[in-house]
Amino acid sequence: KNQVEQSPQSLIILEGKNCTLQCNYTVSPFSNLRWYKQDTGRGPVSLTIMTFSENTKSNGRYTATLDADTKQSSLHITASQLSDSASYICVVSEGFSGGYNKLIFGAGTRLAVHP
Amino acid sequence: DGGITQSPKYLFRKEGQNVTLSCEQNLNHDAMYWYRQDPGQGLRLIYYSQIVNDFQKGDIAEGYSVSREKKESFPLTVTSAQKNPTAFYLCASSMRLAGDVNEQFFGPGTRLTVL
Repeated sequence: KNQVEQSPQSLIILEGKNCTLQCNYTVSPFSNLRWYKQDTGRGPVSLTIMTFSENTKSNGRYTATLDADTKQSSLHITASQLSDSASYICVVSEGFSGGYNKLIFGAGTRLAVHP
Repeated sequence: DGGITQSPKYLFRKEGQNVTLSCEQNLNHDAMYWYRQDPGQGLRLIYYSQIVNDFQKGDIAEGYSVSREKKESFPLTVTSAQKNPTAFYLCASSMRLAGDVNEQFFGPGTRLTVL
């Protein structure tokens, strides 16, 4: 069964600190992996998208890594800000050509940044 | 101002009533999607559409119906047959249904509560 597992479920850090969120997946065939940020009560917003051949991608203070061999990804947040408080969702796209590339969503990691 | 709009933001319904959630996009995207989000779970696909007058069931379509009469609009009806309709509903769109990197853009969501 195609699954995406994220850890930890929740995390509290102090403003200015770094943190790393983890994502393990068993989706096959694989097309790409995305990280979304979702503020409470809002829709998810894309942070990064990585295909099979990419092993790192940055978006400002957010850096995602992908190890397609071990089927693991991480999202590293540098110098956290209060506005980083949100849920971070790992999403893996199945690779079916000519049809619908189904997205498999993780349950998310809820990050709280405290002053 | 391009994007996806959903209305209403909050919706209350009595048991046994049908209710329709609105989703509109002005991104000129062909594909549109409806997801349901429950606490502690990943997003689950209800219905998707790749073109006007065509739509397909997702993983949890029972108790829901959709229409796609215009490219810009993809309303979702939650019927009385849906046993547990209280949830956060997200609409999304993408340029096309499939592709290596087919980013989905999400609306702000509608929170439905059944009283």
